[in-house]
Amino acid sequence: DIQMTQSPSSLSASVGDRVTITCRASQRIITYLNWYQQKPGKAPDLLIFAASSLQSGVPSRFSGSGSGTDFTLTISSLQPEDFATYYCQQSFIIPYTFGQGTKLEIK
Amino acid sequence: QVTLKESGPVLVKPTETLTLTCTVSGFSLTNARVGVSWIRQPPGKALEWLAHIFSDDEKGYSTSLKSRLTISKDTSKSQVVLTMTNMDPVDTGTYYCARSALKTIAARPPYYYMDVWGKGTTVTVSS
Repeated sequence: DIQMTQSPSSLSASVGDRVTITCRASQRIITYLNWYQQKPGKAPDLLIFAASSLQSGVPSRFSGSGSGTDFTLTISSLQPEDFATYYCQQSFIIPYTFGQGTKLEIK
Repeated sequence: QVTLKESGPVLVKPTETLTLTCTVSGFSLTNARVGVSWIRQPPGKALEWLAHIFSDDEKGYSTSLKSRLTISKDTSKSQVVLTMTNMDPVDTGTYYCARSALKTIAARPPYYYMDVWGKGTTVTVSS
């Protein structure tokens, strides 16, 4: 199975900050990488697919980049509603494994 | 409007078989390039992808759970069923179903992602 490793595991930031979360795959996955946001007690929401394609309805302050094994999710200016846990997921090879999550907290 | 709803027992005993049903609306299970996936999340832990099924009946399973999982669909009822045998307390958690989409970009094999999720159903394994 492909292992997905996110860093950091947790992050404190302030409203208005620019934040970057990293996801590394244990083998090359081209751009078969998705990002999800999950708020407490809720199901995840899709933010980005194919590494950099913004899902319809997702604010443009979210962006994704990367290819091969290293990927990033960037939030350009944090809003109060962005404090949540973020997961990457590879969709290159079954099983479509997730990272362990990055919890974004208010500083 | 696309919706998915999970249903099943709240409590199961160790060694029992869990059967979960995902009822979908707003799309058809016969649509090409659309399927349903199951994902679970133990309390306070990360998401774990379990299985998927597509309109052509193509199926995929978690490597570690493959021997215990079976996914199937009933298109007439708009339902996808996941069974997991030999339940254990470590299987306690929230189980989600999600619509899975395949999108072709450039000339590459399709990209797979889960774009609409159910609210989840909580399953506790305890005697």
